[in-house]
Amino acid sequence: EDKVVQSPLSLVVHEGDTVTLNCSYEVTNFRSLLWYKQEKKAPTFLFMLTSSGIEKKSGRLSSILDKKELFSILNITATQTGDSAVYLCAVEARGSQGNLIFGKGTKLSVKP
Amino acid sequence: GEEVAQTPKHLVRGEGQKAKLYCAPIKGHSYVFWYQQVLKNEFKFLISFQNENVFDETGMPKERFSAKCLPNSPCSLEIQATKLEDSAVYFCASSPTGQGTYNEQFFGPGTRLTVL
Repeated sequence: EDKVVQSPLSLVVHEGDTVTLNCSYEVTNFRSLLWYKQEKKAPTFLFMLTSSGIEKKSGRLSSILDKKELFSILNITATQTGDSAVYLCAVEARGSQGNLIFGKGTKLSVKP
Repeated sequence: GEEVAQTPKHLVRGEGQKAKLYCAPIKGHSYVFWYQQVLKNEFKFLISFQNENVFDETGMPKERFSAKCLPNSPCSLEIQATKLEDSAVYFCASSPTGQGTYNEQFFGPGTRLTVL
């Protein structure tokens, strides 16, 4: 059965810290891996990764995929209280008709 | 519109009552996906549409759940005879394309369904 596992499930840090969120997956015929940030409402898209070893970067956030070891990490440097959210990892499999398989998310709390 | 819109925000139903949820995808997006999130657990895929056609319904409980995407109308997800375990947040997402190209899905704010 296809699955996505995120760790840790929750994390508390202080402003300015750097955090690394993990996502491992077991999916038949992997196609892409996506990261979303979910605050109170709609998950907002962060990154889509399809190739190993190519880092995607947006401001203080960056992510990379390892298709050999079947995982991805999301890094956030110099965290701010506004980074507090649940970070969701989702994987799309070939032949899945586009639907996403989600992990349970990592709840990040950034304290001032 | 520029965002996926979902209505209502909250819906409360007694067991056995019907519930109907609506989703307006981003204008120009051909694909609509419905997901169910129970108690902040992982999102579970229910059904997807390509325009008004069912694209994938492998996640859909067949007995009480149905969904439609009709032209010039919001998409809808309907639950007949709701049960306590249907209590969840139902998210809708839209995407410009499904297979063949890589496109992220854009999510709506969700509808929280509470079955009492």
